[in-house]
Formats: sequence, C-alpha cells, structure tokens
Amino acid sequence: DVKVTQSSRYLVKRTGEKVFLECVQDMDHENMFWYRQDPGLGLRLIYFSYDVKMKEKGDIPEGYSVSREKKERFSLILESASTNQTSMYLCASSLNRRGSPLHFGNGTRLTVT
Amino acid sequence: ILNVEQSPQSLHVQEGDSTNFTCSFPSSNFYALHWYRWETAKSPEALFVMTLNGDEKKKGRISATLNTKEGYSYLYIKGSQPEDSATYLCAENQAGTALIFGKGTTLSVSS
Repeated sequence: DVKVTQSSRYLVKRTGEKVFLECVQDMDHENMFWYRQDPGLGLRLIYFSYDVKMKEKGDIPEGYSVSREKKERFSLILESASTNQTSMYLCASSLNRRGSPLHFGNGTRLTVT
Repeated sequence: ILNVEQSPQSLHVQEGDSTNFTCSFPSSNFYALHWYRWETAKSPEALFVMTLNGDEKKKGRISATLNTKEGYSYLYIKGSQPEDSATYLCAENQAGTALIFGKGTTLSVSS
C-alpha cells in the first residue's frame, strides 16, 4: 500500500513564524499535492508538483511556497504564518497524470495564534 | 458550470435505506472523474476513477455512473449501513490540470 506521511498531526504556531509542513510518499509517485480543508469550503488546492524541482500554483497559493528537491518529499512553507492560515492541511500523491487516484496523508491540523 | 458542485450538502438516512448523491462538473476538457470517501479522523480514500462517458463502477454496495456529455456523475449506496457515514467527495481532472474537488456530501446513517 502507498503510504503518505505528514510530519505532524497537530501544530501550533505564532503569527509571523515561518512554518514548514513536510510530506513524504514511499511509492515513487510522480505527482504530489497540497490541499487545505476548511469547513464549508471543501478541499482547495494550494500547490502541486509533477516532477522534482517543478511546482505549479493551485487555486490559493498566496502566502505559501513549496519545495520538491527529491521525488518522495514535498514541503509546504508558510513564509510568515497568519491566523487565516489556521486550517487542516492535506498532502496527497498520485502515480501519474493519467487519471491515477490520489493517496492522502493523515493531515496536519495547524493553528496560528 | 464552472466549478465542481455536489448535492445535497448533507444527508441523513436510516440503516437499510438506499441513497444517491450528485456531482456536476464542467464538461469541456474533461479527463477523469474521481470519487473519494472521507471518514472522520481518517484521510480521504479513493472509491472510483472514471474516464469514459457511460462508465459504471461498483464496489460492494456502492456504485457510480458517469455522463461526460452533460457533466454529471451519480454515486449510489444500496442498503446504507452506519459504517457508510462519511463525507463523499467528487473531483474532476481536466486535461493537464490537477484535481479540483467539490465541497462534498456528508452522509449520516442511523441504526
């Protein structure tokens, strides 16, 4: 089974801090994604990557950046955390672009105070 | 339709009832339609990926159909059980883009 591991289940940070959310997948998947989930808004795409060192903006990239130096790891960076970035963050990976299903991590519940 | 839309937003049924949800999506540049089940305290799990107009897929008591010409998909659950309680997400994969999710339908099944 594919395993997608997010480094933290719960995280509390202060406004203005730089925050790193790490995601690792163990099945050599090409594609990796970061979503955030907020009540009433569903899953919204922040950034995604189809290859190492490649990144594409999703629907809500503002305030975020990403890094994909190795195929198995996709990091989400909050350059200066703000309270409106309090959310559940989900990482996912998929084998390729050709209709492969997403495999999700367990999520990171981030609270910015 | 510009976005992926799901209805109803929430649903409460009794054990043994059959139910269905709707997913509407933009039909231009369609590539694939995904259904996921998201149980509380777990991560979303893929149910189906469908690509062809007229596709029907089944997994146990759950099945799904796809109409790409009119841009909709139905998810059916036959004889709902309490363990079916979850949020059901659909997502469209347009050619060359990442998945775009609907807001989900939350199903609650009472015993």
